[in-house]
Amino acid sequence: DSGVTQTPKHLITATGQRVTLRCSPRSGDLSVYWYQQSLDQGLQFLIQYYNGEERAKGNILERFSAQQFPDLHSELNLSSLELGDSALYFCASSPVAVGELFFGEGSRLTVL
Amino acid sequence: GENVEQHPSTLSVQEGDSAVIKCTYSDSASNYFPWYKQELGKGPQLIIDIRSNVGEKKDQRIAVTLNKTAKHFSLHITETQPEDSAVYFCAANNQAGTALIFGKGTTLSVSS
Repeated sequence: DSGVTQTPKHLITATGQRVTLRCSPRSGDLSVYWYQQSLDQGLQFLIQYYNGEERAKGNILERFSAQQFPDLHSELNLSSLELGDSALYFCASSPVAVGELFFGEGSRLTVL
Repeated sequence: GENVEQHPSTLSVQEGDSAVIKCTYSDSASNYFPWYKQELGKGPQLIIDIRSNVGEKKDQRIAVTLNKTAKHFSLHITETQPEDSAVYFCAANNQAGTALIFGKGTTLSVSS
């Protein structure tokens, strides 16, 4: 158990819909990262937050947004969903700027 | 931005053999190179990491080597066991040092 909690574990929705994925980092970790894992693309970095502020952006689509709240939990919002958005979405947290990431078990999104 | 290439994509070995996975990175500013193991249905978990001021690091049956001049690093697993079967990812930190960029993964199968 990494200490990172993600909900929901599974989510099935239709094209055009909007979903929110939630992440609670390990106690004390200020950094939260979101990654997308699809079969052919491996782990794609989406976005990072540090203590409530956006720190870095990766390949995140404009239809996607995220935020980190004062209690340090984070949410990833995915809107106008397309079939290609079906993937595993991982949240990770870290206590330091450059070091080990602790991953949650992921949220599997299926868009039909 | 940073790009990490990983080879091979699949690797099958007999129990007791050695396994080697290789990665190259593009950004000469990268200074942190971790390896993650992902078992089925779980999030990636750090197994070993190396920083740019070190050429080699060992931890029991696993070792990582780094060649900064050539911008490549490798994971070596000796005396492989069936429980080593998993997907392995290499990563390097991005130019800003704020996120890890992952390779596309290697599926290792160890048969007994």
